[in-house]
Amino acid sequence: DAGVIQSPRHEVTEMGQEVTLRCKPISGHDYLFWYRQTMMRGLELLIYFNNNVPIDDSGMPEDRFSAKMPNASFSTLKIQPSEPRDSAVYFCASSLQIELGSPLHFGNGTRLTVT
Amino acid sequence: AQSVTQLDSHVSVSEGTPVLLRCNYSSSYSPSLFWYVQHPNKGLQLLLKYTSAATLVKGINGFEAEFKKSETSFHLTKPSAHMSDAAEYFCVVRGYASGGSYIPTFGRGTSLIVHP
Repeated sequence: DAGVIQSPRHEVTEMGQEVTLRCKPISGHDYLFWYRQTMMRGLELLIYFNNNVPIDDSGMPEDRFSAKMPNASFSTLKIQPSEPRDSAVYFCASSLQIELGSPLHFGNGTRLTVT
Repeated sequence: AQSVTQLDSHVSVSEGTPVLLRCNYSSSYSPSLFWYVQHPNKGLQLLLKYTSAATLVKGINGFEAEFKKSETSFHLTKPSAHMSDAAEYFCVVRGYASGGSYIPTFGRGTSLIVHP
């Protein structure tokens, strides 16, 4: 199993541009999570999906952020327009369904820099 | 509601000495607990997990953790630190939340520094 795959690994963009981050979860996993990690705020849950359906997006900071999961093997996190304060490492994670003992499996993250 | 508190933001040890990273949790129901490690510029990797079986859990790289319900603690230990253990460590609780979900809650992390 290749694990959770995120792309790109690094993204540098100018303020105002649209940014799209991509994630391929582990095959067979029912849950997909998007996290943001910064020095100031630590690891923040942005949104999570269960069986491709968004369940809780209360962590999405603003309307500039949107996430989709069109099928079980692909998800995107979009920021439009991007701002310098969006600079962070964005992680995608997946897990098996609802069992308490199911750990999250993380991708290697996308380091976003907005100038 | 559930929460997790990592009691130290930084822990500094010498190579070859024991490691103790402290974690306390609260959860309305019997939760599962996890420790993750994050090396620089990497994703989070599962070290070990507790899921209501044995209270002493062994993980990778010589780490282990003991679940103590009476103290609501899940401290991570290792008998002898290695330079490669230097990383950020996260304690995670995953318990029943409202709406029937089992969303994990992460601690703020403990940075382990290992001196030669």
